[in-house]
Amino acid sequence: GAGVSQSPSNKVTEKGKDVELRCDPISGHTALYWYRQSLGQGLEFLIYFQGNSAPDKSGLPSDRFSAERTGGSVSTLTIQRTQQEDSAVYLCASSSLHGVQPLHFGNGTRLTVT
Amino acid sequence: GNSVTQMEGPVTLSEEAFLTINCTYTATGYPSLFWYVQYPGEGLQLLLKATKADDKGSNKGFEATYRKETTSFHLEKGSVQVSDSAVYFCALSGGNAGNMLTFGGGTRLMVKP
Repeated sequence: GAGVSQSPSNKVTEKGKDVELRCDPISGHTALYWYRQSLGQGLEFLIYFQGNSAPDKSGLPSDRFSAERTGGSVSTLTIQRTQQEDSAVYLCASSSLHGVQPLHFGNGTRLTVT
Repeated sequence: GNSVTQMEGPVTLSEEAFLTINCTYTATGYPSLFWYVQYPGEGLQLLLKATKADDKGSNKGFEATYRKETTSFHLEKGSVQVSDSAVYFCALSGGNAGNMLTFGGGTRLMVKP
């Protein structure tokens, strides 16, 4: 595709349920990032993948959050036992190589935990 | 670590007004500085960048100058249009904290006709 694709665009879930958010990066981009955008706050880094290297998970807020990237392409962010404070827009971005700008962002998944 | 502070919004202007969105940063070493823009319903996209002190980034009539002495990268535009209504994010990467992109809180700009 032409850009970074994220699905679903909106997700409403009940507190305590698990959710999976998907990101399909630009073809050939080896670096993939997940950020969280909460109301009134900036973009909070969550995790990034660079090629086959071990991901940098330093931004994950708790062990309820995890992410994987299969085959160096599609990534899934999983949030277990969702809480209301997890409500935010989750953004995925990719770049040709970690540290190379610009990052290309998807439109995000708006998660609402009720 | 790196951090970015930008003025809170929303900023509301009339069409053709002058725009300034302030951005200051904290970093060691020599980071690169960026402005990203998020138009309604779209993903963030790079607006402009500067990679060393005194560099001026420019695009679509917007400008920002990398001022190391004041650790600032203020965004300016001489005459805004309704189509400039968006959320603007200041960001940095590099320096001694590595290549991770660190964002400010974002500033919403609303331009009225």
